[in-house]
Amino acid sequence: GENVEQHPSTLSVQEGDSAVIKCTYSDSASNYFPWYKQELGKGPQLIIDIRSNVGEKKDQRIAVTLNKTAKHFSLHITETQPEDSAVYFCAARLTNTGNQFYFGTGTSLTVIP
Amino acid sequence: EPEVTQTPSHQVTQMGQEVILRCVPISNHLYFYWYRQILGQKVEFLVSFYNNEISEKSEIFDDQFSVERPDGSNFTLKIRSTKLEDSAMYFCASSVGRGYTFGSGTRLTVV
Repeated sequence: GENVEQHPSTLSVQEGDSAVIKCTYSDSASNYFPWYKQELGKGPQLIIDIRSNVGEKKDQRIAVTLNKTAKHFSLHITETQPEDSAVYFCAARLTNTGNQFYFGTGTSLTVIP
Repeated sequence: EPEVTQTPSHQVTQMGQEVILRCVPISNHLYFYWYRQILGQKVEFLVSFYNNEISEKSEIFDDQFSVERPDGSNFTLKIRSTKLEDSAMYFCASSVGRGYTFGSGTRLTVV
C-alpha cells in the first residue's frame, strides 16, 4: 500500500510569518492529495487539495505544491494568524484502491501572536 | 454548512463489551467511511461503504467490526467484543467524490 510521511511533527511560527509542511508518498499511482486541518475537539476539515495533473494550487493564504517526480507535496501558509494554529494532516489516494486515503502523522502548528 | 454528526462524543466501555458508534452523514453524499486514530498515531482507514455494501476494508477491520446503514440516514460502526487496543478516536466521513467531510469523532475508551 501507500506510505505517507509528514514533517515536521511540530512547528511554531510568529504571526505574519510563513509556515511550510512537507509530505512524501511512496506509490507513484497516487493521484489525489488533500490537506486537512484539525482543531481541538473537531474532526479534520478539508482546506485544500491537488490532483496529480497539477503542480500548484492556491487559495488565498494557502497553497499546495506537488512534485510527482520526487513524490512529495507541500502545504504553504502565508501571513499566518493565531487561528491557523491546529494540527494539519496530508493524505494521498491511490488510483486503484477506490476512495481510501492514506494519512501522514500530522503537524501541530502553533502561531505565536 | 452541512455537517457529519457523530454520537456519542465519548464512550467508555469494558473490555469484551459491544459498542455501536453512530454517524449521520451529509444527506446527498454517497460514500461513507470509518477511520480511527490511536492517540499520537496516524489516522487509519477502516472501511468504506457505498450502495449499501462495503466497498473496501483494511486489515484492521476484522470480524469483530461491522457497519450498517439501517435506515437510510444513520451509518453505524459496531465492535462486537472490544479490546483494550480498540481505544482510539473514531471518525466517520462522507463524500460525493474527492474530498471527505469528517465528523468530530467519538473517543472510545476501553477499560
